[in-house]
Amino acid sequence: DVVLTQSPATLSVTPGERISLSCRASESVDTYLHWYQQKPNESPRLLIKYASQSISGIPSRFSGSGSGTDFTLSINGVELEDLSIYYCQQGNSLPYTFGAGTKLELK
Amino acid sequence: EVQLVESGGGLVQPGRSLKLSCLASGFTFSNYGMNWIRQAPGKGLEWVASISSSSSYIYYADTVKGRFTISRDNAKNTLYLQMTSLRSEDTALYYCAQGWFAYWGQGTLVTVSS
Repeated sequence: DVVLTQSPATLSVTPGERISLSCRASESVDTYLHWYQQKPNESPRLLIKYASQSISGIPSRFSGSGSGTDFTLSINGVELEDLSIYYCQQGNSLPYTFGAGTKLELK
Repeated sequence: EVQLVESGGGLVQPGRSLKLSCLASGFTFSNYGMNWIRQAPGKGLEWVASISSSSSYIYYADTVKGRFTISRDNAKNTLYLQMTSLRSEDTALYYCAQGWFAYWGQGTLVTVSS
């Protein structure tokens, strides 16, 4: 199974700063890597598909990059509404797997 | 607007069965593969099962293989998850998701406890 390791587990942020979240795969997943945001008591929401492709309706401050085993989700100018847990997920091979998540909290 | 509405969750004793449903609307259901994903209380996300648009291809996580059955009725725009031999570790919020997890329902809670 492909193991996705997300870091950091928790990130303390200040509104307005640019941040980067990491997701590393135990083997290549090409660009079959997707990012989700989950707010408390809500369902996950797709933010970025196929490593770097934007999703309609998602603010432009969210962007993704990477391929193979190393991926990054960037937020350019964090807003209070972005305080959530972020998960990466690979769709390259079965079983589909998720990272353990990175929690954004207010500094 | 894509909508996915899960139902059928509840409290069930270990070893018993439960069947979840997911009613889809806002898209052509028969054109999309569908999935079940679960989230134990306070934990991360775990993929459970997937089914192709015509039910030709079905896949399961090892943790549920042989106990859970995914199915769909394209005429009713509904996805199902039949769960048998339930264990305490199956306690989770069960989400259905469209295609490559582009859209998710609100989830239905399954609690396995005596």
